[in-house]
Amino acid sequence: GENVEQHPSTLSVQEGDSAVIKCTYSDSASNYFPWYKQELGKRPQLIIDIRSNVGEKKDQRIAVTLNKTAKHFSLHITETQPEDSAVYFCAASAPGGKLIFGQGTELSVKP
Amino acid sequence: NAGVMQNPRHLVRRRGQEARLRCSPMKGHSHVYWYRQLPEEGLKFMVYLQKENIIDESGMPKERFSAEFPKEGPSILRIQQVVRGDSAAYFCASSIAYEQYFGPGTRLTVT
Repeated sequence: GENVEQHPSTLSVQEGDSAVIKCTYSDSASNYFPWYKQELGKRPQLIIDIRSNVGEKKDQRIAVTLNKTAKHFSLHITETQPEDSAVYFCAASAPGGKLIFGQGTELSVKP
Repeated sequence: NAGVMQNPRHLVRRRGQEARLRCSPMKGHSHVYWYRQLPEEGLKFMVYLQKENIIDESGMPKERFSAEFPKEGPSILRIQQVVRGDSAAYFCASSIAYEQYFGPGTRLTVT
């Protein structure tokens, strides 16, 4: 079945450094890849997404890259700030539009 | 423009009781997805509905769980005869195309 693997499970960086989270997916038919940020006790919040016809997308300090051949996609956060601390989830679309989520990465940005 | 609404936010049920969770999608959105999140885990797809139709229920347990999205009113996820293992956060998301926007979730505790 469809599967999404996400690494690392935890990531600690100093304020101002960059953070990179990587995901791989199994279903070659997946064509939509969103990233969500979830703070403790809150809803998952869509922060950026990419479709399969694009290799890279950037929005201020956040960028996502996609390698369809290798079935990899990554989230890059530059100039990290303490308020970036949260759990980040990648996801890949599956038939019918449902999302298959990775296991999450707990990002901690130390001031 | 109100976001996705869910109620109740917290629900406590004894084993054997019924739990009824409600989700009102964003205005203009006709697609509703339900996901379950166990403590410190990712989100797992349960069911995808459009108005008056279940499109994909492949992630929903065959017994005790049901979902509906009537022509009028919110989508409802019903869990009959709850067991302790049903304790989790249940999120719904609404969509009009690719992007899925999540509600605040219902945290179900079964005692």
